[in-house]
Amino acid sequence: AQKVTQAQTEISVVEKEDVTLDCVYETRDTTYYLFWYKQPPSGELVFLIRRNSFDEQNEISGRYSWNFQKSTSSFNFTITASQVVDSAVYFCALSGTDSWGKLQFGAGTQVVVTP
Amino acid sequence: DVKVTQSSRYLVKRTGEKVFLECVQDMDHENMFWYRQDPGLGLRLIYFSYDVKMKEKGDIPEGYSVSREKKERFSLILESASTNQTSMYLCASSPSFGSTDTQYFGPGTRLTVL
Repeated sequence: AQKVTQAQTEISVVEKEDVTLDCVYETRDTTYYLFWYKQPPSGELVFLIRRNSFDEQNEISGRYSWNFQKSTSSFNFTITASQVVDSAVYFCALSGTDSWGKLQFGAGTQVVVTP
Repeated sequence: DVKVTQSSRYLVKRTGEKVFLECVQDMDHENMFWYRQDPGLGLRLIYFSYDVKMKEKGDIPEGYSVSREKKERFSLILESASTNQTSMYLCASSPSFGSTDTQYFGPGTRLTVL
């Protein structure tokens, strides 16, 4: 069975602070994919990143960065110099190669950025 | 850009009514999915479809059915709506059957059952 845990329910920061969202996963698959999605107040999930289990390189995209550590089964997401527009719910998700493309989502972390 | 649209953003229905939620994607994707989202539970998969007229149960199919008569359209049906089906419903699509392609989501339908 696959499982994704996002232990942080809500994180509140002041604009320009950095914020790190934790994601811990469990899977028996040797090949799997990890995703992060953003859900702004409008409701639509926006795809942020897809990472396969063989690629442990960290990735940076603008103010976003991701730290994938297979040894600890974690795929953490950092927003640097947060902005009010970063206020959203962020979901981590996992898909194994035996899962027919189905995604297992974590419960989500609400990020609130205040000016 | 991939576009997934859902027929309604907000819907209010009465207990016992039959409810149809429609989803359309414009990218010729093979896979389509229906999720429901509840606070503290994330997204849970209700049903998915990997081809026309094909469907598979997800994690919480009870009380729901689906229909996929055309590749671009995937409908979620609540045969007899109940108050515990009040939720946000999200549709998604992805390109290929059996793969781990990225799923693209619609804007969601917030359903309230009174």
